[in-house]
Amino acid sequence: DSGVTQTPKHLITATGQRVTLRCSPRSGDLSVYWYQQSLDQGLQFLIQYYNGEERAKGNILERFSAQQFPDLHSELNLSSLELGDSALYFCASSLGLAGGVTDTQYFGPGTRLTVL
Amino acid sequence: AQTVTQSQPEMSVQEAETVTLSCTYDTSESDYYLFWYKQPPSRQMILVIRQEAYKQQNATENRFSVNFQKAAKSFSLKISDSQLGDAAMYFCAYRIAYNNNDMRFGAGTRLTVKP
Repeated sequence: DSGVTQTPKHLITATGQRVTLRCSPRSGDLSVYWYQQSLDQGLQFLIQYYNGEERAKGNILERFSAQQFPDLHSELNLSSLELGDSALYFCASSLGLAGGVTDTQYFGPGTRLTVL
Repeated sequence: AQTVTQSQPEMSVQEAETVTLSCTYDTSESDYYLFWYKQPPSRQMILVIRQEAYKQQNATENRFSVNFQKAAKSFSLKISDSQLGDAAMYFCAYRIAYNNNDMRFGAGTRLTVKP
């Protein structure tokens, strides 16, 4: 158990809908990262938040957004869903200090999103 | 651009034997970190081992060890005394030392352990 929690574990929805994925980081971690893992692709970095502020953006679509709340949990919002958005979405957390091998990312169990 | 290549989509090993998974990376940086993550059928991403590029000594964690060849940009994972529970996808990952939000993953190697 990495200490990172994600809810829900599974989500099935229809095209055009909007969903929210939730992540709680490990105790003491300030950074949260979101990744997408599709069947035909490896893990793709989406976005990072550090202590409530957006720190970096990766391959995140404009239909997707995220935020990190004062209690440090994070939510990833996916809207106008398309079939191709079906994937496993991972949240990871780290201390968030700049650099350092101790700033290793620990992953949650993931949320499997199926868009029908 | 930094890229990570795992040239073995699938590998298999007999239980109790040793297997080595390959990973190469491309970077112009001198200070970086390398990781191996394991993804079992549960799909959880589990950190197996990590290596600092400035360290010449290869990292080890129980039955898991790495062969880090900085000049060759190679970072292979050796699993000794393989167990059925080692069956999983293994991902090699790289990130620059000063940038903790730019972690790059390889495509993964699926390891099968035969009883």
